[in-house]
Amino acid sequence: AQSVTQLDSQVPVFEEAPVELRCNYSSSVSVYLFWYVQYPNQGLQLLLKYLSGSTLVKGINGFEAEFNKSQTSFHLRKPSVHISDTAEYFCAVTELRNNNDMRFGAGTRLTVKP
Amino acid sequence: EPEVTQTPSHQVTQMGQEVILRCVPISNHLYFYWYRQILGQKVEFLVSFYNNEISEKSEIFDDQFSVERPDGSNFTLKIRSTKLEDSAMYFCASSEDAFTYEQYFGPGTRLTVT
Repeated sequence: AQSVTQLDSQVPVFEEAPVELRCNYSSSVSVYLFWYVQYPNQGLQLLLKYLSGSTLVKGINGFEAEFNKSQTSFHLRKPSVHISDTAEYFCAVTELRNNNDMRFGAGTRLTVKP
Repeated sequence: EPEVTQTPSHQVTQMGQEVILRCVPISNHLYFYWYRQILGQKVEFLVSFYNNEISEKSEIFDDQFSVERPDGSNFTLKIRSTKLEDSAMYFCASSEDAFTYEQYFGPGTRLTVT
């Protein structure tokens, strides 16, 4: 079955600095990849997804991610973060043959400091 | 904007009791899901549901769990005899079809088993 590893449990960063949240996946078949954001006391909101096509995917709130098949990675980036980006970020993967079973990483807590 | 809703937001129950967590998916969605997130841990897939039957379930979803769509709007998760380790945040999600792969999540129900 597919699995996801988020390499950083916490990422502190200053406001207006760039940030990268790392995600690696493991699967024996082709996959779809997602990034979700969870603000305090809220549900999960989809930031962006990679299904096919261009490996650089742009999402909401100025985030983007790049799918790298050879590195089995899907790192999330933002060139300049805001205080409001403080949240938990989850990388997730589903396999093409079984898109009902979505596996999440452990999450990365992004804290943006003034 | 349509959204997935869940009730209650917080449920406290005693060990051994039955609980029913309720979800109202987005009205034109056909696929429904339950996930759980134990405090401080990753989001875990429990079950997916389509056309009034379970389409996929994880190893977590054992005989004490069941799901039901009792009417045209609600989607419920029942835990028959709760255990302390069932304490978690339970998220419901829905998606329009099997091809967009975008799951919309509710705000979650925090279940506390004492």
